[in-house]
Amino acid sequence: GESVGLHLPTLSVQEGDNSIINCAYSNSASDYFIWYKQESGKGPQFIIDIRSNMDKRQGQRVTVLLNKTVKHLSLQIAATQPGDSAVYFCAENPLGSGNTGKLIFGQGTTLQVKP
Amino acid sequence: DTAVSQTPKYLVTQMGNDKSIKCEQNLGHDTMYWYKQDSKKFLKIMFSYNNKELIINETVPNRFSPKSPDKAHLNLHINSLELGDSAVYFCASSQAGLSQHFGDGTRLSIL
Repeated sequence: GESVGLHLPTLSVQEGDNSIINCAYSNSASDYFIWYKQESGKGPQFIIDIRSNMDKRQGQRVTVLLNKTVKHLSLQIAATQPGDSAVYFCAENPLGSGNTGKLIFGQGTTLQVKP
Repeated sequence: DTAVSQTPKYLVTQMGNDKSIKCEQNLGHDTMYWYKQDSKKFLKIMFSYNNKELIINETVPNRFSPKSPDKAHLNLHINSLELGDSAVYFCASSQAGLSQHFGDGTRLSIL
């Protein structure tokens, strides 16, 4: 069935360290993946996306890695800052969704940054 | 200049009532969505409209009825509210189904 999951519900890191948030997905035919950040009381905010024809994409302080062999997605945040504290979601555009924009969300990982 | 705005931000009402949530986007996007986020933060799509046409209708009770008067607006009407409807409801929009932009949510509490 369709599901996107995360390996850890909570990740605690020291300010300045790098963070790695993981996600496993089940639909091997999915062709589009997104990472979102959700701060308390706010809606999910787009961070970075990646298509299945790529295995790595970089943004400002963030990198998304896609391993289609093991159906694994990760988000790396460099030099983690207190403002990075939030819940992070991966989302998958499942097979057959076309341009409907249907996304299947994982359950979220809470990132806590210690000063 | 809020991109996706929802009203109200908070909604507290009694079981059995009917309520509506409104959403507007000023991004010029062609697709709008409603999501439900439960107490465990699980986010699930409910509906999607593209240029006022319903394109996604997940397994949602008939008590929930979306309406899109134009492509910049998508409202959600809920009849006969139940305790299980308590959640945060998010509106989102996108162009061509990518990079969805979310509003800040409507927190619905059923007494």
